[in-house]
Amino acid sequence: NAGVMQNPRHLVRRRGQEARLRCSPMKGHSHVYWYRQLPEEGLKFMVYLQKENIIDESGMPKERFSAEFPKEGPSILRIQQVVRGDSAAYFCASSPREGTEAFFGQGTRLTVV
Amino acid sequence: RKEVEQDPGPFNVPEGATVAFNCTYSNSASQSFFWYRQDCRKEPKLLMSVYSSGNEDGRFTAQLNRASQYISLLIRDSKLSDSATYLCVPEKGSQGNLIFGKGTKLSVKP
Repeated sequence: NAGVMQNPRHLVRRRGQEARLRCSPMKGHSHVYWYRQLPEEGLKFMVYLQKENIIDESGMPKERFSAEFPKEGPSILRIQQVVRGDSAAYFCASSPREGTEAFFGQGTRLTVV
Repeated sequence: RKEVEQDPGPFNVPEGATVAFNCTYSNSASQSFFWYRQDCRKEPKLLMSVYSSGNEDGRFTAQLNRASQYISLLIRDSKLSDSATYLCVPEKGSQGNLIFGKGTKLSVKP
């Protein structure tokens, strides 16, 4: 049973470009969480999704950021018109249902140059 | 009150020591709790789940005090490999998502 898969592991974008981060949850998991982590900082919650539904996006900036978890395929975190401040590690976690432990992917490290 | 509060540390302890971390949480509706460890620049990894009053796994013991809304993690006979940041996670935040504290940094020295 493969773990949570995130790709790419490293992503470099120029200011103004778009970044797409993918997360394939563990088999049988229908809940996905996205977090952002700056160096020497804690994990900051961004968004919580179930298949085809956004449950809670209270941690996600209102502009430029969006997330989806379609019926088929991975969850996508999309950042439009990236700025230097978007440089961070983005982690995805999945769980089989609400209230249970979540398992993390290895993260995508985004660098905006 | 913050959703999750932890002493950031660092806790610097010698090998073989016993060390305990506390974590307070604000949402009394949380039924389950999790401890994760995170190594530098790596993803968090699940260490222990707590669904009742506590849990024990080898050198690690977690205890839950619902009345005071805190959970603790005890590590006995510390190893060098225990050096990491330990993250406390109640199942429910204000909106039902997994909210992480900033973690407690542990450094075990030879």
